[in-house]
Amino acid sequence: QQQVKQSPQSLIVQKGGISIINCAYENTAFDYFPWYQQFPGKGPALLIAIRPDVSEKKEGRFTISFNKSAKQFSLHIMDSQPGDSATYFCAANKGSARQLTFGSGTQLTVLP
Amino acid sequence: GAGVSQSPSNKVTEKGKDVELRCDPISGHTALYWYRQRLGQGLEFLIYFQGNSAPDKSGLPSDRFSAERTGESVSTLTIQRTQQEDSAVYLCASSLPEAGVTKNIQYFGAGTRLSVL
Repeated sequence: QQQVKQSPQSLIVQKGGISIINCAYENTAFDYFPWYQQFPGKGPALLIAIRPDVSEKKEGRFTISFNKSAKQFSLHIMDSQPGDSATYFCAANKGSARQLTFGSGTQLTVLP
Repeated sequence: GAGVSQSPSNKVTEKGKDVELRCDPISGHTALYWYRQRLGQGLEFLIYFQGNSAPDKSGLPSDRFSAERTGESVSTLTIQRTQQEDSAVYLCASSLPEAGVTKNIQYFGAGTRLSVL
């Protein structure tokens, strides 16, 4: 059972544009929602994370929007740069459970 | 400081052989996780160690998979009688023991790419 659904599978954006990646979850017990960035040949690295008590979190060009009633959250990358080209994974975690449940990933390509 | 280190970076094996994958977590990280990443897919949780507590093995796909951890240091993931469907990147992550504000920030190694011929 896929508990976190991520879309789109791939995304191509022009430099300077806005990249938007969406995730939806099923388990209302999830209480922590991180986004990870993965470059080829590297392990995923935490980019930004949010808890369900806030609707938005911004760090530099990266913003998470969270809609608890819809059980959806999204990553927005403003002023996208070629260096942002990577695979992005949303994830979720619940309560005392330590392991993360990951989405299937979005391969982002930012054209120069 | 040093990050999570995994070895080997690549492993090619024949179907039916056993393989051992190694993970050195960040010093001081008592929590250690193994995930599997199939080509073009997300990460699947395999197993979680926390200090001296019994590991959470709920993600192991079959009894051919096992993992051990020596105290709060090195961990090995063993796959016995490998099958072609075991081909994937196996990722290890570690995290600090306390959750709090920085809940569950997992730091990943670069992974071991396993190819079963």
